Amino acid sequence: DQQVKQNSPSLSVQEGRISILNCDYTNSMFDYFLWYKKYPAEGPTFLISISSIKDKNEDGRFTVFLNKSAKHLSLHIVPSQPGDSAVYFCAAHGAGKSTFGDGTTLTVKP
Amino acid sequence: DTGVSQNPRHKITKRGQNVTFRCDPISEHNRLYWYRQTLGQGPEFLTYFQNEAQLEKSRLLSDRFSAERPKGSFSTLEIQRTEQGDSAMYLCASRSSGNEQFFGPGTRLTVL
Repeated sequence: DQQVKQNSPSLSVQEGRISILNCDYTNSMFDYFLWYKKYPAEGPTFLISISSIKDKNEDGRFTVFLNKSAKHLSLHIVPSQPGDSAVYFCAAHGAGKSTFGDGTTLTVKP
Repeated sequence: DTGVSQNPRHKITKRGQNVTFRCDPISEHNRLYWYRQTLGQGPEFLTYFQNEAQLEKSRLLSDRFSAERPKGSFSTLEIQRTEQGDSAMYLCASRSSGNEQFFGPGTRLTVL
């Protein structure tokens, strides 16, 4: 059973516009959620996180929203830049380990 | 460079051989994780250490897999009698008290 799902394998947006990446989870016991970005030939790098008791966390161009009743979180990037083009993984952490989604490939076109 | 390092970066082996990978975490991080990632999927949790204690192990980890962190610093992941299905990227990550994990570049294993 896949506890964390990213249903969109890819997303393409124009530079300067908003990118919205989505993630759904099934286990209500997760303590916090994270977004990681991954470039080819590198390991994932941490982007932003949110505690399960919050509904929003903002860091510069990046904002994560958490809807606990819907078991859904989203990452907003605004404005999007070509350097944001990468694979984005959603992760949920609980019981000492993180469970990752399969990623969404974001392409930001100049 | 004070990030997480992994060696080797690439390993090609024949089916049935044993392989061992090493991970050097960020020095002050007491938590260390191993993941496996295949094409088109996210990292799958394998095991987790806090200092030298192995606290969690995925049921994905068969008896052929073993991990150690003998002194609470570097860690090794050994796969015995490799199978073609073991071909994947093996990622190591470390963490201190914060939420985020810091990942190494991974070791890509190809089993022929």
